[in-house]
Amino acid sequence: GAVVSQHPSWVICKSGTSVKIECRSLDFQATTMFWYRQFPKQSLMLMATSNEGSKATYEQGVEKDKFLINHASLTLSTLTVTSAHPEDSSFYICSARDGGIAGEERNEQFFGPGTRLTVL
Amino acid sequence: QKEVEQNSGPLSVPEGAIASLNCTYSDRVSQSFFWYRQYSGKSPELIMSIYSNGDKEDGRFTAQLNKASQYVSLLIRDSQPSDSATYLCAVLAIYNQGGKLIFGQGTELSVKP
Repeated sequence: GAVVSQHPSWVICKSGTSVKIECRSLDFQATTMFWYRQFPKQSLMLMATSNEGSKATYEQGVEKDKFLINHASLTLSTLTVTSAHPEDSSFYICSARDGGIAGEERNEQFFGPGTRLTVL
Repeated sequence: QKEVEQNSGPLSVPEGAIASLNCTYSDRVSQSFFWYRQYSGKSPELIMSIYSNGDKEDGRFTAQLNKASQYVSLLIRDSQPSDSATYLCAVLAIYNQGGKLIFGQGTELSVKP
């Protein structure tokens, strides 16, 4: 259980184009999903918290107009990197919490396999 | 600023030894703590969660929590080369908008055959 998928696993695009990354919870309903970015040899950086049916909450310094997040259903959240530039090249990882779990374990987050974005 | 501190390593142990990974956190209110393992080029994988003071064992892994000292650790017994990875300590922080994990910078573990 608690499987999270991401698509695509990697993408190469030209500067100025937009890229959409999908995050799906396969065997549970995720009322909350999180989007992280990780640069080489660095820890995870939380970009935004995505709640189903409402606007995402962005971390300080993350441009909401550049990183568009949509959480339209309990199993799907998308991150769109608009007008991508080489400095946006990174490893993007989503995670999800199982909304059906009660107690302390409800705070456990399960990560997708990540999407490696390279902007030329 | 709520922070989580880990030694970046690398921590090198011989195969079969006990690996000890440590983490301290600054937020006294935190109640939930997690250890994730991340292999190079892969995403993090949850290996342990701990919520109460004391020890929690799962196979070769033991998590230890001391809330008074704001300290959480992970012990890996009978370390194997396949345990070589970066281990991330994460602490749940509660904000007005809900809870989110604060990650340490990770400790790189190398288990030598």
